[in-house]
Amino acid sequence: GAVVSQHPSRVICKSGTSVKIECRSLDFQATTMFWYRQFPKQSLMLMATSNEGSKATYEQGVEKDKFLINHASLTLSTLTVTSAHPEDSSFYICSAGAGTGFYEQYFGPGTRLTVT
Amino acid sequence: GEDVEQSLFLSVREGDSSVINCTYTDSSSTYLYWYKQEPGAGLQLLTYIFSNMDMKQDQRLTVLLNKKDKHLSLRIADTQTGDSAIYFCAESNPSGTYKYIFGTGTRLKVLA
Repeated sequence: GAVVSQHPSRVICKSGTSVKIECRSLDFQATTMFWYRQFPKQSLMLMATSNEGSKATYEQGVEKDKFLINHASLTLSTLTVTSAHPEDSSFYICSAGAGTGFYEQYFGPGTRLTVT
Repeated sequence: GEDVEQSLFLSVREGDSSVINCTYTDSSSTYLYWYKQEPGAGLQLLTYIFSNMDMKQDQRLTVLLNKKDKHLSLRIADTQTGDSAIYFCAESNPSGTYKYIFGTGTRLKVLA
């Protein structure tokens, strides 16, 4: 099946700094990528949907200036957590969909962010 | 709004069958999925079912869909200790924004 990678897999940063997480589709072109956040022992919460070359669509309650999403190419989307705070600590997962009319999202392995 | 509910925990003995249930509210859902998540890892697609199907079987996995009651189940036959994980159901409506709505997750524990 299609492979999606995330980098880094784990990051620890200090409060007030910014962190960038990369999501790459390795063997297909992803017209749409999704960013999720997962708190411990909870479900995945969709943060935003991004289409290549256009602005991301954020879900209600997600601060777009806090979580910057860039989908610059058909194989790469980045999520930047700006001015991170301890409450931003979470597991961030991206997924990608291929082509139009796709019905399956391919998920990355996730990035564990810890803000100290 | 859309809502997808699952029971939180399920414990079974190795070799028994496991049944994980899911209820959803969006009647326009087109695809319904089952994902498996092991600790600290991403999501692995186990199977999916199209909304015009009632049942789908894939080796040890059987998915049943009751569209009238908006109820989805995943049966795992001959459950093994390696099946211990969190299982998420999800729904999507491709005619919309391709978004997935995930269930709350069921933690399956298989006892040896």
